[in-house]
Amino acid sequence: AQSVAQPEDQVNVAEGNPLTVKCTYSVSGNPYLFWYVQYPNRGLQFLLKYITGDNLVKGSYGFEAEFNKSQTSFHLKKPSALVSDSALYFCAVRDTIYGQNFVFGPGTRLSVLP
Amino acid sequence: DADVTQTPRNRITKTGKRIMLECSQTKGHDRMYWYRQDPGLGLRLIYYSFDVKDINKGEISDGYSVSRQAQAKFSLSLESAIPNQTALYFCATSYTGGTEAFFGQGTRLTVV
Repeated sequence: AQSVAQPEDQVNVAEGNPLTVKCTYSVSGNPYLFWYVQYPNRGLQFLLKYITGDNLVKGSYGFEAEFNKSQTSFHLKKPSALVSDSALYFCAVRDTIYGQNFVFGPGTRLSVLP
Repeated sequence: DADVTQTPRNRITKTGKRIMLECSQTKGHDRMYWYRQDPGLGLRLIYYSFDVKDINKGEISDGYSVSRQAQAKFSLSLESAIPNQTALYFCATSYTGGTEAFFGQGTRLTVV
């Protein structure tokens, strides 16, 4: 069965500092991995994905994520946080072989302090 | 995001009432999903459909039913609403051979 863990409910970071939001996953086959962001009263917006190839993927708004197969992790990063990055972030996995559905983590609330 | 439209956006209903949440999409995708979001639990899959004649239960289907009226329309029904169905509901789409899912704006449902 697929599963996603986001070990931190809340991440606080000062504006201008680098940020990391952690994600680990479990799948039976090869994973497709995703990060989504949710702003208040909005739906989920796609940020980036790992399908294959380079372990470092770049996405919208300056975010990037690093796929680590041995650690089954897909951490979201940004070199310099903005106050406007404050939102709820979800990691998701899709097993390409045994299941075609998306499984989401519980979410991590990011607060960027001015 | 306007490509996946959910109606209503907000709804308050009473315990025991039947309610339908609707989702329509203009993306031409064949796959549609209904998720429920609760604080600290993330999004949990209720039902999914990979084409008009395909309906499948997800992780938390009890108390819910769905109808895929057309490729573009996927409705979620609560036959007899109960307070613990109070949540934020999302419809999503994807397509066979594609990768990511695309989400609607959500429906905030409150059962009193």
